[in-house]
Amino acid sequence: SYVLTQPPSVSVAPGKTAKITCGGNNIGSQSVHWYQQKPGQAPVLVIYYDSDRPSGIPERMSGSNSGNTATLTISRVEAGDEADYYCQLWDNRSDHPVFGGGTKLTVL
Amino acid sequence: EVQLVQSGAEVKKPGESLRISCGVSGYSFTNYWITWVRQVPGKGLEWVGNIDPSDSYAKYSPSFQGHVTMSADKSTSNVYLRWSSLRASDTATYYCARRRMTTELSWFDRWGQGTLVTVSS
Repeated sequence: SYVLTQPPSVSVAPGKTAKITCGGNNIGSQSVHWYQQKPGQAPVLVIYYDSDRPSGIPERMSGSNSGNTATLTISRVEAGDEADYYCQLWDNRSDHPVFGGGTKLTVL
Repeated sequence: EVQLVQSGAEVKKPGESLRISCGVSGYSFTNYWITWVRQVPGKGLEWVGNIDPSDSYAKYSPSFQGHVTMSADKSTSNVYLRWSSLRASDTATYYCARRRMTTELSWFDRWGQGTLVTVSS
């Protein structure tokens, strides 16, 4: 089964840029989606198709995907961005979704 | 407005049965598959299975196959997740989510608020 690897934690100062990575074998050949989960809340889709934003998601959030790494970039980080972030793709061979282990973003 | 509203928290004993629900509104119930996702306290997201509400065809994760059953009721626009015999290890929050699909891709664009299931003797 396909494995997605995320760093357990990322820390960033307010106003700076946070980069959260999602590693997988040749992940750049697939489409990756990202979810934000704040404490006690359900996940929210923030990026789909590698870099598309659903309506209501700020332009500060962007995504990229190439080679063996997909990246969620959050510019001008705010305290409200503190959350767990999960990457996800669809494994067509097994016909089921695969989630990364999640990254806790801490705003210093 | 698209909404997925789940049933409330449950406290059960090992061996008891349970059914939790996910009611959808704001779109045609039969047009989108629903996925169930488990989250053990302090842990990540795990796929439980998908169901097509149009015909109730369900696909389960091998980790949950035979232990849970998904169903759908078109008359009430509800999807259900059922256990016939709960275990302490089922303690978790369960989310339903609407699955968006293309030929080879799927993602989850709307989520329910989650149902906390606690199994303890």
